[in-house]
Amino acid sequence: RKEVEQDPGPFNVPEGATVAFNCTYSNSASQSFFWYRQDCRKEPKLLMSVYSSGNEDGRFTAQLNRASQYISLLIRDSKLSDSATYLCVVNNDYGGSQGNLIFGKGTKLSVKP
Amino acid sequence: DTAVSQTPKYLVTQMGNDKSIKCEQNLGHDTMYWYKQDSKKFLKIMFSYNNKELIINETVPNRFSPKSPDKAHLNLHINSLELGDSAVYFCASSQALGTSPYNEQFFGPGTRLTVL
Repeated sequence: RKEVEQDPGPFNVPEGATVAFNCTYSNSASQSFFWYRQDCRKEPKLLMSVYSSGNEDGRFTAQLNRASQYISLLIRDSKLSDSATYLCVVNNDYGGSQGNLIFGKGTKLSVKP
Repeated sequence: DTAVSQTPKYLVTQMGNDKSIKCEQNLGHDTMYWYKQDSKKFLKIMFSYNNKELIINETVPNRFSPKSPDKAHLNLHINSLELGDSAVYFCASSQALGTSPYNEQFFGPGTRLTVL
């Protein structure tokens, strides 16, 4: 099983749609979870951290289910500018290797007019 | 005012050559990283440096050697380049070591390396 798995998409949605991305991770010891956004031929940028109780930032909502080792990202009222690849990221606590982020392959979102 | 900068942006070279990629951060961060993103888009950690000390070397071939003259710079030197080294290399930095939600990693724009 891959360490972080995501549906690669692409997700093609109209403007205004609500879209959800899912991610599963294999290391039950992982403590930190993130969603990064990567535009085409650009660097990844932090979109939001994911907290145990779930958290919301404007149109974006992140949820964590530790029992199922599952993370989700919900985008409401999609904008054209949301088109990007969304990377699910977890930390790797094996052997105390701090600072080691494990990136999923990403889910590509394309928002159409 | 670019926070994390890399040079060059593009690098095209022949197999067997030696090349370097430079990275600088002006954020005052203590920790810097090198990542590799291959053609399948997987982004993988190669190295991290905390206060000029190597912390992680994720089974990277020893042809790759990170060099940090000071905590604002982490350069990547690659010897005897191979076809499989073609990828995008990203430098990143964070305030400290560790992956807490409050320790965001900031990425540079990437260096697209093509080995012919």
